[in-house]
Amino acid sequence: GAGVSQSPSNKVTEKGKDVELRCDPISGHTALYWYRQSLGQGLEFLIYFQGNSAPDKSGLPSDRFSAERTGGSVSTLTIQRTQQEDSAVYLCASTGTSADTQYFGPGTRLTVL
Amino acid sequence: QKEVEQNSGPLSVPEGAIASLNCTYSDRGSQSFFWYRQYSGKSPELIMFIYSNGDKEDGRFTAQLNKASQYVSLLIRDSQPSDSATYLCAVPHSGSARQLTFGSGTQLTVLP
Repeated sequence: GAGVSQSPSNKVTEKGKDVELRCDPISGHTALYWYRQSLGQGLEFLIYFQGNSAPDKSGLPSDRFSAERTGGSVSTLTIQRTQQEDSAVYLCASTGTSADTQYFGPGTRLTVL
Repeated sequence: QKEVEQNSGPLSVPEGAIASLNCTYSDRGSQSFFWYRQYSGKSPELIMFIYSNGDKEDGRFTAQLNKASQYVSLLIRDSQPSDSATYLCAVPHSGSARQLTFGSGTQLTVLP
Protein backbone atom coordinates (compact mmCIF):
# COMPACT_ATOMS: atom_id res chain seq x y z
CA GLY A 1 0.00 0.00 0.00
CA ALA A 2 0.89 3.66 -0.21
CA GLY A 3 1.43 4.10 3.51
CA VAL A 4 1.27 2.45 6.89
CA SER A 5 -2.24 1.32 7.72
CA GLN A 6 -3.70 0.44 11.09
CA SER A 7 -6.92 -1.10 12.20
CA PRO A 8 -9.26 -0.52 13.83
CA SER A 9 -9.15 3.26 13.82
CA ASN A 10 -11.11 3.33 17.06
CA LYS A 11 -11.64 0.67 19.69
CA VAL A 12 -13.79 0.95 22.78
CA THR A 13 -13.56 -1.90 25.23
CA GLU A 14 -14.43 -2.73 28.77
CA LYS A 15 -11.87 -3.02 31.51
CA GLY A 16 -10.50 -6.54 31.71
CA LYS A 17 -11.10 -7.45 28.08
CA ASP A 18 -8.31 -8.30 25.63
CA VAL A 19 -7.74 -6.22 22.49
CA GLU A 20 -5.75 -6.72 19.31
CA LEU A 21 -4.45 -3.86 17.23
CA ARG A 22 -3.16 -4.40 13.72
CA CYS A 23 -0.47 -2.66 11.69
CA ASP A 24 0.34 -3.08 8.00
CA PRO A 25 3.69 -1.43 7.28
CA ILE A 26 4.75 0.05 3.98
CA SER A 27 5.58 -2.76 1.59
CA GLY A 28 9.27 -3.63 1.71
CA HIS A 29 9.95 -1.85 4.98
CA THR A 30 11.94 -4.11 7.27
CA ALA A 31 11.61 -2.26 10.55
CA LEU A 32 8.36 -1.77 12.41
CA TYR A 33 7.71 0.17 15.62
CA TRP A 34 4.82 0.50 18.04
CA TYR A 35 4.33 3.63 20.12
CA ARG A 36 1.70 4.82 22.54
CA GLN A 37 0.58 8.41 22.85
CA SER A 38 -1.58 9.48 25.74
CA LEU A 39 -3.62 12.67 25.50
CA GLY A 40 -1.35 15.69 25.27
CA GLN A 41 1.78 13.63 25.68
CA GLY A 42 4.71 12.66 23.49
CA LEU A 43 5.27 9.27 21.95
CA GLU A 44 6.18 6.40 24.24
CA PHE A 45 8.17 3.64 22.56
CA LEU A 46 6.74 0.16 23.06
CA ILE A 47 8.42 -2.39 20.79
CA TYR A 48 10.59 -2.61 17.68
CA PHE A 49 10.90 -5.33 15.05
CA GLN A 50 13.78 -5.52 12.58
CA GLY A 51 13.63 -8.24 9.95
CA ASN A 52 13.94 -11.69 11.48
CA SER A 53 15.82 -10.50 14.56
CA ALA A 54 14.40 -10.85 18.03
CA PRO A 55 12.20 -7.84 18.78
CA ASP A 56 13.27 -5.11 21.18
CA LYS A 57 10.55 -5.26 23.81
CA SER A 58 12.19 -2.87 26.22
CA GLY A 59 9.35 -0.34 26.06
CA LEU A 60 6.45 -2.63 26.87
CA PRO A 61 4.93 -1.31 30.11
CA SER A 62 3.82 -4.64 31.52
CA ASP A 63 3.46 -8.32 30.69
CA ARG A 64 -0.10 -7.63 29.62
CA PHE A 65 1.35 -6.19 26.43
CA SER A 66 2.73 -8.36 23.66
CA ALA A 67 3.30 -8.05 19.94
CA GLU A 68 4.15 -10.25 17.07
CA ARG A 69 5.08 -9.74 13.48
CA THR A 70 4.19 -12.48 11.06
CA GLY A 71 6.13 -13.06 7.88
CA GLY A 72 8.13 -9.92 8.41
CA SER A 73 5.16 -7.77 7.49
CA VAL A 74 1.91 -7.38 9.43
CA SER A 75 2.17 -6.84 13.16
CA THR A 76 -0.38 -7.31 15.92
CA LEU A 77 -0.17 -5.62 19.31
CA THR A 78 -2.17 -7.45 21.96
CA ILE A 79 -3.18 -5.98 25.29
CA GLN A 80 -4.60 -8.46 27.76
CA ARG A 81 -6.89 -7.60 30.65
CA THR A 82 -7.08 -3.96 29.60
CA GLN A 83 -6.99 -1.24 32.23
CA GLN A 84 -8.27 2.32 32.01
CA GLU A 85 -4.70 3.64 31.95
CA ASP A 86 -4.20 1.75 28.68
CA SER A 87 -6.45 4.29 26.98
CA ALA A 88 -4.33 6.08 24.40
CA VAL A 89 -3.60 6.30 20.70
CA TYR A 90 -1.42 3.42 19.56
CA LEU A 91 0.78 4.35 16.63
CA CYS A 92 2.70 2.09 14.31
CA ALA A 93 5.62 3.21 12.18
CA SER A 94 7.88 1.56 9.65
CA THR A 95 11.24 2.40 8.12
CA GLY A 96 12.80 1.48 4.84
CA THR A 97 16.15 2.19 3.26
CA SER A 98 16.55 5.42 5.20
CA ALA A 99 16.97 3.63 8.46
CA ASP A 100 15.97 6.44 10.74
CA THR A 101 13.06 8.03 8.90
CA GLN A 102 9.90 6.59 10.38
CA TYR A 103 6.59 6.74 8.57
CA PHE A 104 3.60 6.62 10.85
CA GLY A 105 0.21 5.07 10.42
CA PRO A 106 -2.99 6.88 11.39
CA GLY A 107 -3.13 5.20 14.77
CA THR A 108 -5.73 3.29 16.74
CA ARG A 109 -7.53 5.21 19.45
CA LEU A 110 -8.17 2.81 22.33
CA THR A 111 -10.66 3.70 25.01
CA VAL A 112 -11.00 1.42 28.01
CA LEU A 113 -14.17 2.04 29.97
CA GLN B 1 17.18 14.51 32.90
CA LYS B 2 14.92 13.40 30.08
CA GLU B 3 16.69 12.28 26.94
CA VAL B 4 14.86 14.84 24.82
CA GLU B 5 13.29 17.99 26.20
CA GLN B 6 11.07 20.53 24.57
CA ASN B 7 9.07 23.46 25.86
CA SER B 8 5.49 22.25 25.82
CA GLY B 9 4.18 25.69 24.92
CA PRO B 10 1.73 26.68 23.78
CA LEU B 11 3.68 29.00 21.53
CA SER B 12 1.66 31.61 19.68
CA VAL B 13 2.98 33.73 16.85
CA PRO B 14 1.22 36.05 14.44
CA GLU B 15 0.86 35.09 10.81
CA GLY B 16 3.98 35.99 8.85
CA ALA B 17 6.29 35.91 11.85
CA ILE B 18 9.13 33.50 12.53
CA ALA B 19 8.31 30.64 14.88
CA SER B 20 11.27 29.22 16.81
CA LEU B 21 11.02 25.77 18.36
CA ASN B 22 13.78 24.41 20.55
CA CYS B 23 14.89 20.98 21.66
CA THR B 24 17.72 19.81 23.90
CA TYR B 25 19.04 16.29 24.20
CA SER B 26 21.19 14.49 26.72
CA ASP B 27 23.20 11.99 24.66
CA ARG B 28 26.33 13.67 23.30
CA GLY B 29 26.80 10.78 20.90
CA SER B 30 23.57 11.47 19.03
CA GLN B 31 24.22 11.87 15.34
CA SER B 32 20.84 12.48 13.76
CA PHE B 33 17.90 14.64 14.69
CA PHE B 34 14.37 14.74 13.42
CA TRP B 35 11.47 17.15 13.51
CA TYR B 36 7.97 15.76 13.15
CA ARG B 37 4.76 17.75 12.84
CA GLN B 38 1.55 16.39 14.32
CA TYR B 39 -1.79 17.98 13.60
CA SER B 40 -4.46 17.50 16.22
CA GLY B 41 -5.92 14.03 15.95
CA LYS B 42 -3.45 12.98 13.29
CA SER B 43 -0.26 10.94 13.27
CA PRO B 44 3.22 12.52 13.19
CA GLU B 45 4.79 13.31 9.83
CA LEU B 46 8.47 13.93 9.22
CA ILE B 47 9.27 17.46 8.10
CA MET B 48 13.04 17.67 8.50
CA PHE B 49 16.10 15.81 9.63
CA ILE B 50 19.62 17.08 10.24
CA TYR B 51 22.92 15.33 10.82
CA SER B 52 25.56 18.06 10.65
CA ASN B 53 26.23 21.10 12.78
CA GLY B 54 24.84 24.28 11.34
CA ASP B 55 21.72 25.07 9.42
CA LYS B 56 19.66 23.06 6.99
CA GLU B 57 16.99 24.84 5.01
CA ASP B 58 13.95 23.38 3.29
CA GLY B 59 11.49 25.93 2.02
CA ARG B 60 10.16 27.93 4.96
CA PHE B 61 11.74 25.51 7.44
CA THR B 62 15.27 25.73 8.82
CA ALA B 63 16.73 23.21 11.22
CA GLN B 64 19.68 24.35 13.32
CA LEU B 65 21.97 21.93 15.10
CA ASN B 66 24.58 22.71 17.73
CA LYS B 67 26.12 19.48 18.97
CA ALA B 68 28.45 21.22 21.43
CA SER B 69 25.47 22.76 23.21
CA GLN B 70 23.27 19.73 22.57
CA TYR B 71 20.36 21.54 21.08
CA VAL B 72 18.48 21.46 17.85
CA SER B 73 15.96 24.03 16.77
CA LEU B 74 13.37 24.47 14.06
CA LEU B 75 12.60 27.85 12.57
CA ILE B 76 9.47 28.40 10.54
CA ARG B 77 9.59 31.56 8.46
CA ASP B 78 6.49 33.38 7.25
CA SER B 79 4.35 31.31 9.60
CA GLN B 80 0.91 30.38 8.33
CA PRO B 81 -2.20 29.32 10.25
CA SER B 82 -1.78 25.92 8.58
CA ASP B 83 1.50 25.54 10.49
CA SER B 84 -0.50 25.33 13.73
CA ALA B 85 0.34 21.90 15.11
CA THR B 86 2.47 20.15 17.67
CA TYR B 87 6.12 19.82 16.70
CA LEU B 88 8.00 16.80 17.98
CA CYS B 89 11.76 16.57 18.21
CA ALA B 90 13.24 13.06 17.98
CA VAL B 91 16.71 11.71 18.62
CA PRO B 92 18.01 8.14 18.24
CA HIS B 93 17.78 6.30 21.53
CA SER B 94 21.05 6.10 23.42
CA GLY B 95 20.75 2.34 23.72
CA SER B 96 19.71 1.61 20.16
CA ALA B 97 20.37 3.74 17.14
CA ARG B 98 17.31 2.27 15.44
CA GLN B 99 14.90 3.62 18.02
CA LEU B 100 13.85 7.22 18.25
CA THR B 101 13.20 8.98 21.52
CA PHE B 102 10.62 11.70 21.10
CA GLY B 103 10.22 14.87 23.07
CA SER B 104 6.80 15.69 24.43
CA GLY B 105 6.28 18.26 21.68
CA THR B 106 5.70 21.99 21.43
CA GLN B 107 2.24 23.18 20.50
CA LEU B 108 2.39 26.02 17.99
CA THR B 109 -0.51 28.30 17.15
CA VAL B 110 -0.20 30.77 14.30
CA LEU B 111 -2.72 33.54 14.70
CA PRO B 112 -4.30 34.97 11.55
